[in-house]
Amino acid sequence: NVLTQSPGTLSLSPGGRATLSCRASHTVGRSLLAWYQQRPGQAPRLLIYDASKRATGTPDRFSGSGSGTDFTLTVSRLEPEDFAVYYCQQYASSPITFGQGTRLDIK
Amino acid sequence: QVQLVESGGGVVQPGRSLRLSCAASGFIFSNYAMHWVRQAPGKGLEWVGLISYDGTTKYYTDSLKGRISISRDNSKNTLDLQMNSLRPEDTAVYYCARAECGGECFLIDSWGQGTLLTVSS
Repeated sequence: NVLTQSPGTLSLSPGGRATLSCRASHTVGRSLLAWYQQRPGQAPRLLIYDASKRATGTPDRFSGSGSGTDFTLTVSRLEPEDFAVYYCQQYASSPITFGQGTRLDIK
Repeated sequence: QVQLVESGGGVVQPGRSLRLSCAASGFIFSNYAMHWVRQAPGKGLEWVGLISYDGTTKYYTDSLKGRISISRDNSKNTLDLQMNSLRPEDTAVYYCARAECGGECFLIDSWGQGTLLTVSS
């Protein structure tokens, strides 16, 4: 199941709102889709799972939505530490697949 | 808290073999399935494979099947990735990661810091 993320890069200012898209080539069963954040030089970190559930420690300014083939990660009120690369991942079945990532840059 | 520490990376010549390891602590290792995920320099994430909590079930990405093997030792809380016939395109940071449950469990909830493997002559 190929995941395509858009845009490739998003340039926004702190305090702004980010909307990241993840589109699957086939339906993601049971909405088993996750979002990860990767800051430079760090390992990825789980933010959202089951499309809309926040992982432990994820601030409530992060929210996930969607089902079927279209999913969205929204970050409201961007903080400086939110500027990073975000990956979506489907885990409904093997092979697990990741999107190519969206880079969120400071404008 | 969950700690995953990878080791074994370095520079290896094409065609050689290498074993990467991951030492786990801070949780009951034998209760959780484990993953390997890799990331080529400047690129995205690529799933490598999964091993169930007891080692009886394994999944590998198609592109690496036949060249890799994942194993675990629950008595030592360690996870291994054996890679054979290494190619330059295997150059990547290799992450050990914990699944959120024990069986065929594909959600990853914790990641190590990774170990860099460079395949070059």
